[in-house]
Amino acid sequence: SQQGEEDPQALSIQEGENATMNCSYKTSINNLQWYRQNSGRGLVHLILIRSNEREKHSGRLRVTLDTSKKSSSLLITASRAADTASYFCATDNNQGGKLIFGQGTELSVKP
Amino acid sequence: DAGITQSPRHKVTETGTPVTLRCHQTENHRYMYWYRQDPGHGLRLIHYSYGVKDTDKGEVSDGYSVSRSKTEDFLLTLESATSSQTSVYFCAISDSRTVSGNTIYFGEGSWLTVV
Repeated sequence: SQQGEEDPQALSIQEGENATMNCSYKTSINNLQWYRQNSGRGLVHLILIRSNEREKHSGRLRVTLDTSKKSSSLLITASRAADTASYFCATDNNQGGKLIFGQGTELSVKP
Repeated sequence: DAGITQSPRHKVTETGTPVTLRCHQTENHRYMYWYRQDPGHGLRLIHYSYGVKDTDKGEVSDGYSVSRSKTEDFLLTLESATSSQTSVYFCAISDSRTVSGNTIYFGEGSWLTVV
């Protein structure tokens, strides 16, 4: 079964609004990562947060991690039409280099 | 972009035929992975490799085999393709020795249709 579960499955917002996506996982982790996938392309790494970190920023991205709740959130501020993509969380629970991905959130940003 | 090449990028094959997908990397990364992506299931790990001739199963390995005879190449074989193996297959690589952690770099995908 999937380690990470994203919520919501789909999100539609207007340009300029913030987008928040959530990820829950089941077992203890070494780190949690977020990836983005444009339609018809491979996934691209966005940001990594380690298990001993609570918040991390990268440009318009803000990631939080709550290990007590086994959950993470990805916030994209001031969204743009170009942010339209699917976003996946992935967990590394230190099992020989494996990453387990969730099912993703499909984000649509309307101009 | 990470130097990952998948071939073929698109293939249509008949049920029962063998199919091999190739992943070639130029990054000299230790880890290589094969994932499949299906609607409603996200990405699921099929097999992965942690070195030459060192491979292990992922969560959906039934019906698939892999081989890694060189650092740069990781082959995924469907011994006898079935319609349930129609999917998009992604190769990925990583080098967990980096301080940034186990960041994975993906290829562009191989679209396989089994008819």
